[in-house]
Amino acid sequence: QLQLQESGPGLVKPSETLSLTCTVSGGSISSSSYYWGWIRQPPGKGLEWIGSIYYSGSTYYNPSLKSRVTISVDTSKNQFSLKLSSVTAADTAVYYCARHMTDFESIPIDYWGQGTLVTVSS
Amino acid sequence: EIVLTQSPATLSLSPGERATLSCRASQSVSSYLAWYQQKPGQAPRLLIYDASNRATGIPARFSGSGSGTDFTLTISSLEPEDFAVYYCQQRSNWPSFTFGPGTKVDIK
Repeated sequence: QLQLQESGPGLVKPSETLSLTCTVSGGSISSSSYYWGWIRQPPGKGLEWIGSIYYSGSTYYNPSLKSRVTISVDTSKNQFSLKLSSVTAADTAVYYCARHMTDFESIPIDYWGQGTLVTVSS
Repeated sequence: EIVLTQSPATLSLSPGERATLSCRASQSVSSYLAWYQQKPGQAPRLLIYDASNRATGIPARFSGSGSGTDFTLTISSLEPEDFAVYYCQQRSNWPSFTFGPGTKVDIK
């Protein structure tokens, strides 16, 4: 059974960089049938796609966040990572890592991590 | 950017009733639409992909329909575990990938 687990600091200071890692177990991140992505959800609000990466390293970002986002992949560790720079309180959210299925037209997300709350505060 | 609108924002129903949730796109997304269910404190769960295909393990009471700009998620007879928030998601013109604001289905 595939599992995704987010890890990283739960508290980040304003103007600093948020860094999270997603460890994938029970399956290979190097499969050609999937993208690996990050989605966030501010407390009490809806879902926002941040970006996704293919195992080859090709990246796809939400245009509204693109200037601040970097997603990378480490196939040797079966992990992918998120960096979001110059954070503000508006970046406080539960951050999910997830797997997209590229074999289907809607590129849906079939597996999600449990989510990790990141608070931006001094 | 394609914007998804979901209606109603809240749907108050009783167990056993039929739920009809709407998702409308600001321009055509063909059939590139999925639906998710989210319960409090949990990650979303994929219900429907490509507008009308049930994901693995999803009960037959969940069905999706539509194409272009208008989509519907139908729950034929609500079970107690179906009371949750439902989101639609589109990926037209990847890497455009957006979610609707959600519809909360709560107990009447």
